[in-house]
Amino acid sequence: EIVLTQSPGTMSLSPGERATLSCRASQRVGNTYLAWYQQKPGQAPRLLIFGASSRATGIPDRFSGSGSGTDFTLTISRLEPEDFAVYYCQQYGGSPTFGGGTKVG
Amino acid sequence: EVQLVQSGAEVKKPGESLKISCKASGYIFSNLWIGWVRQMPGKGLEWVGVIYPGDSTTKYSPSFQGRVAISADRSTSTAYLQWDALKASDTAVYYCARHVTMITFGGAASWYFDFWGRGTLVTVSS
Repeated sequence: EIVLTQSPGTMSLSPGERATLSCRASQRVGNTYLAWYQQKPGQAPRLLIFGASSRATGIPDRFSGSGSGTDFTLTISRLEPEDFAVYYCQQYGGSPTFGGGTKVG
Repeated sequence: EVQLVQSGAEVKKPGESLKISCKASGYIFSNLWIGWVRQMPGKGLEWVGVIYPGDSTTKYSPSFQGRVAISADRSTSTAYLQWDALKASDTAVYYCARHVTMITFGGAASWYFDFWGRGTLVTVSS
């Protein structure tokens, strides 16, 4: 099983600031099969990024993903009020697993 | 528009059985994998398993194999998650999610999740 470790666990930022979230895998994630999701309180997760860097339909371009191998990053260029949420990475290079999440607050 | 509409919250006692549902619309149900993700109270996301409605092939996370069963009814475009004997540790929100299939280096299928239901809260308590 590929274990994903997200850091930091929590980040305190303000609207307009840049957020950089990390996701590290315990082994190489083949084909950059890495996705990112956003979850707000009381809501279902929403797909943001797949294939490490491809934005899902309707996702604003302030969200970008990068990385390969074992190290991946989600960047939110300028935080909007609606971006304060928990973000999860998920790998599908093997049986799907999720990271523990990063709360952007 | 793709929609996944899940059944309502459930309160059960340990040892009881349960089947929750997820009705899909807006796409051809038989052609795409659909499955379940668990979120325990205050915790992160865990993949439970998936079904291909076209031929009822199922895949389960090792953590859930033998504990739950996933099924689908093509005639009503509905996927199901069921337990024969609930435990208190099954208390969680269960999300159904449409799965997008990719083939790994090893030749096996794996998935990410492009559309999600709103979740079904399952509470197991004596």
